[in-house]
Amino acid sequence: DADVTQTPRNRITKTGKRIMLECSQTKGHDRMYWYRQDPGLGLRLIYYSFDVKDINKGEISDGYSVSRQAQAKFSLSLESAIPNQTALYFCATSDFRASVTDTQYFGPGTRLTVL
Amino acid sequence: DAKTTQPPSMDCAEGRAANLPCNHSTISGNEYVYWYRQIHSQGPQYIIHGLKNNETNEMASLIITEDRKSSTLILPHATLRDTAVYYCIVHPGGTSYGKLTFGQGTILTVHP
Repeated sequence: DADVTQTPRNRITKTGKRIMLECSQTKGHDRMYWYRQDPGLGLRLIYYSFDVKDINKGEISDGYSVSRQAQAKFSLSLESAIPNQTALYFCATSDFRASVTDTQYFGPGTRLTVL
Repeated sequence: DAKTTQPPSMDCAEGRAANLPCNHSTISGNEYVYWYRQIHSQGPQYIIHGLKNNETNEMASLIITEDRKSSTLILPHATLRDTAVYYCIVHPGGTSYGKLTFGQGTILTVHP
């Protein structure tokens, strides 16, 4: 969905480096999420944010941190990247205020490789 | 979240209807049935969702059984571009926890 953008789209980095993945949305949604996907596996939730001041850990938050700089921006940081963080990373948004069904819309993804 | 069961793969001829089944026998009264699809490592794409009634939008139709223990996603005229992994997800509405639980899904292959 073009309303949710992720940068960079691809990134190769080395073990121990700090890296930030960024997500921006023009949908005006209040909720934002970060998921990761490993080959052959489903998506797993890393962090989620219900508004700028409400950030919560997901099921696999160790090794990651996030920042919700504004309603439209949600960044994911790897403080010290390790090879098992090599994965596809997806940002998603939802407009819970408008609809209690929490329909989530995903960005195109960032392919991260940690050498 | 309730667990879902989907066939691992299905085939469909181009132009024909694709009917993708999903079992969710432990679904709770406040849980919605969602369908997403993922085309080759792209971001998952929302298709449709429903609670009790059948739903239709520009992409697909969703048929939910009366007891809500199973559902079928219908792509009325499948095209080659519909080849993807289709995920059936049950997700509580009105909840404060937003995680979508993606299972293994159904790999739908549309062939000429």
